[in-house]
Amino acid sequence: SQTIHQWPATLVQPVGSPLSLECTVEGTSNPNLYWYRQAAGRGLQLLFYSVGIGQISSEVPQNLSASRPQDRQFILSSKKLLLSDSGFYLCAWHRTGEIYGKLFFGSGTQLSVL
Amino acid sequence: AQSVAQPEDQVNVAEGNPLTVKCTYSVSGNPYLFWYVQYPNRGLQFLLKYITGDNLVKGSYGFEAEFNKSQTSFHLKKPSALVSDSALYFCAVRTYGSSNTGKLIFGQGTTLQVKP
Repeated sequence: SQTIHQWPATLVQPVGSPLSLECTVEGTSNPNLYWYRQAAGRGLQLLFYSVGIGQISSEVPQNLSASRPQDRQFILSSKKLLLSDSGFYLCAWHRTGEIYGKLFFGSGTQLSVL
Repeated sequence: AQSVAQPEDQVNVAEGNPLTVKCTYSVSGNPYLFWYVQYPNRGLQFLLKYITGDNLVKGSYGFEAEFNKSQTSFHLKKPSALVSDSALYFCAVRTYGSSNTGKLIFGQGTTLQVKP
């Protein structure tokens, strides 16, 4: 069966510090991968998605970047965090080719930038 | 532009009563609609989806949703609410023509509070 791992679960970082959040998927190959951000426990904003190794699409301009160094690994990064980067970050995956399929979400990372 | 609206920030219902969480959408082309549930500090869990066919879709945990094309709605329903149904519910629409990327546009979410 497929599983998605996301860590850390919580993170408190000072303004200006770097960020690295990691997400890995097991039990499938060549998944489509996504990073979402949820602010204040409400709506989700799609940040990045990837359809393959090294292929990253950005949905909104921001202080963050994403990378996919391996097939089932997706990393969200920042060189210098801003207060506005605080939020709940969710990684998700989707089976390639399953056009009407559902997204599977990780358990999320609560990031607080102070 | 594609969009999803959940007009209620919160829905309160007594345990055992029927519940409805509302969702309306705006898309060009055929809509592919989803409902997800989120428990505190957790990721989202898939409940059900509408792609085509029967307008009444049944999903997990006794939930169902009715697709209404003329009203552009996809309301989530359950005949008898449980306290454990209390959570944050998201409606989402998959944009037509975005190949197989699975990009979903989410509503702002509706908090369901079921009281004993």
